[in-house]
Amino acid sequence: EPEVTQTPSHQVTQMGQEVILRCVPISNHLYFYWYRQILGQKVEFLVSFYNNEISEKSEIFDDQFSVERPDGSNFTLKIRSTKLEDSAMYFCASSAGAARNEKLFFGSGTQLSVL
Amino acid sequence: AQKVTQAQTEISVVEKEDVTLDCVYETRDTTYYLFWYKQPPSGELVFLIRRNSFDEQNEISGRYSWNFQKSTSSFNFTITASQVVDSAVYFCALSRAGNMLTFGGGTRLMVKP
Repeated sequence: EPEVTQTPSHQVTQMGQEVILRCVPISNHLYFYWYRQILGQKVEFLVSFYNNEISEKSEIFDDQFSVERPDGSNFTLKIRSTKLEDSAMYFCASSAGAARNEKLFFGSGTQLSVL
Repeated sequence: AQKVTQAQTEISVVEKEDVTLDCVYETRDTTYYLFWYKQPPSGELVFLIRRNSFDEQNEISGRYSWNFQKSTSSFNFTITASQVVDSAVYFCALSRAGNMLTFGGGTRLMVKP
């Protein structure tokens, strides 16, 4: 079965540094998402992306965050100046459509640790 | 506002026991979708099932079954004859427009041999 791949699996960074988390969605999918899961807490929606634009974003997704599809295969999440509270598992997901019943395919996540 | 509650944070069973994971949701939408995802130790979120708000038929897939009751806003998940490989964290989720999923806190299931 096709899968969403995320790199790196673990990322350690110093507070204030910029990080870029990378994702390769399933090739024929058009909708892309980032979710995050702080240790011991719920999985939370960050942002959805379609046609090179942000479709929806949560209040978590502030000016420190940005997303990009730099080429035909990658989808990235950038955090400009990391804070301790950005430490979390970040999940990328993709779907073929945007209907509410659409099945999201998730990657294995990138564990971000901000020191 | 939407909310999903999984009251059981952790469940431990012995292999071959049946186990039910509870999920209660809140929404003002008349049309919505409910999902269950599994997160094995490897970390990824694996889709298990989706159910729309107009379809209250229970569903069975092998050892898995789901009981959707709109009257009680519940979407419970039962594993029959549990196996060690079922050990994982299970998330119930509710979809909103634009495919934003609201997740519950998850239930960690440990199946012991």
